[in-house]
Amino acid sequence: ETAVFQTPNYHVTQVGNEVSFNCKQTLGHDTMYWYKQDSKKLLKIMFSYNNKQLIVNETVPRRFSPQSSDKAHLNLRIKSVEPEDSAVYLCASSRTGGAREQYFGPGTRLTVL
Amino acid sequence: GEQVEQRPPHLSVREGDSAFITCTYTDPNSYYFFWYKQEPGASLQLLMKVFSSTEINEGQGFTVLLNKKDKRLSLNLTAAHPGDSAAYFCAVSAGNYAQGLTFGLGTRVSVFP
Repeated sequence: ETAVFQTPNYHVTQVGNEVSFNCKQTLGHDTMYWYKQDSKKLLKIMFSYNNKQLIVNETVPRRFSPQSSDKAHLNLRIKSVEPEDSAVYLCASSRTGGAREQYFGPGTRLTVL
Repeated sequence: GEQVEQRPPHLSVREGDSAFITCTYTDPNSYYFFWYKQEPGASLQLLMKVFSSTEINEGQGFTVLLNKKDKRLSLNLTAAHPGDSAAYFCAVSAGNYAQGLTFGLGTRVSVFP
């Protein structure tokens, strides 16, 4: 099956803990992204990455960092979670050329207590 | 940067009627435009992409219109049915994939019998 896969589906943790979310795409794309969808359903780009370039949205706190082993994987690490990090984190991928439509994974819902 | 305004935020339509959603954007360099559907608890599903200056695209049960002169993108759900109940998001890309997509705030559509 060709798609974007994310694990875990849900994660509940306490303030100050470190969390890591996984994303894998089997679409053969060369660019991957992380978006944050807040409680009001607002979607905002956090990172975009291909094997040549990492682009970070300037509003993303430094406790967030992407980690990639190859072009099919882009994980998201949060070093010390805060309550405002509670959200759904969506991973996406696209080709670099053409219309670059993005395909999204199912999301990881993070709840910070 | 790019700003996307989407209206209305909520829409309730009778089964068989049409539902019309509009997005306006600010960056004249925006080049690619997308509509996504998000059912409750699910991820984003790509409905349609458009990029010509003025284009009407028809999909299964919907029509998308792009007017670059007015910087306006619209989605018309024709003959809505209960399966159309979802959140719909427009998304705009300036052509630089690294910047990701800029999303509208979404329209929550409810189709009632």
